[in-house]
Amino acid sequence: GDSVTQMEGPVTLSEEAFLTINCTYTATGYPSLFWYVQYPGEGLQLLLKATKADDKGSNKGFEATYRKETTSFHLEKGSVQVSDSAVYFCALSDQEYGNKLVFGAGTILRVKS
Amino acid sequence: EAQVTQNPRYLITVTGKKLTVTCSQNMNHEYMSWYRQDPGLGLRQIYYSMNVEVTDKGDVPEGYKVSRKEKRNFPLILESPSPNQTSLYFCASSPGLARGIETQYFGPGTRLLVL
Repeated sequence: GDSVTQMEGPVTLSEEAFLTINCTYTATGYPSLFWYVQYPGEGLQLLLKATKADDKGSNKGFEATYRKETTSFHLEKGSVQVSDSAVYFCALSDQEYGNKLVFGAGTILRVKS
Repeated sequence: EAQVTQNPRYLITVTGKKLTVTCSQNMNHEYMSWYRQDPGLGLRQIYYSMNVEVTDKGDVPEGYKVSRKEKRNFPLILESPSPNQTSLYFCASSPGLARGIETQYFGPGTRLLVL
């Protein structure tokens, strides 16, 4: 079945550092790819998404590019802030399974001032 | 404000005592879903509903029931809770018009402890 693998955390960075969180996927069809973020004590909210190969999703300084050849959707940000501290989930959704999201395990990001 | 609400937010119960976690959305969404979040496993789908009176199993449905009598509500029922159902539960909804590409909107979560 479909699956998502994310780099393990926690990832600890200093403010203004460059962030990369790796995400790779396995899917039989042509999935859409998502990054969701979970701030402490809250539910998940969409950070960005891409629905086809070579699409780039971006939001709040975060970017990720849908790479079909490497089955990857790595999350990047050029300069992180303390307020970016959260859990980041990579997920996919395959038309064959309706709107079900298949999630990675999540990566904890801690940003120090 | 467009939102998904869940109640209760925190619940401690004992093995075998039936409980219901409510979920309600005010966005007129057709699709609703329940997930559980466990450390190291991410979120896994329990049940979902494509529309009123239409529900189906997700990846981990054992020990859970759902119903969808109204479009806005999608309660999760644990008939006889067991300790392995201790988890963080999320309800989510989406318009249901475009399979596979929609953004899902999540509730704030319900943390359940079964003793």
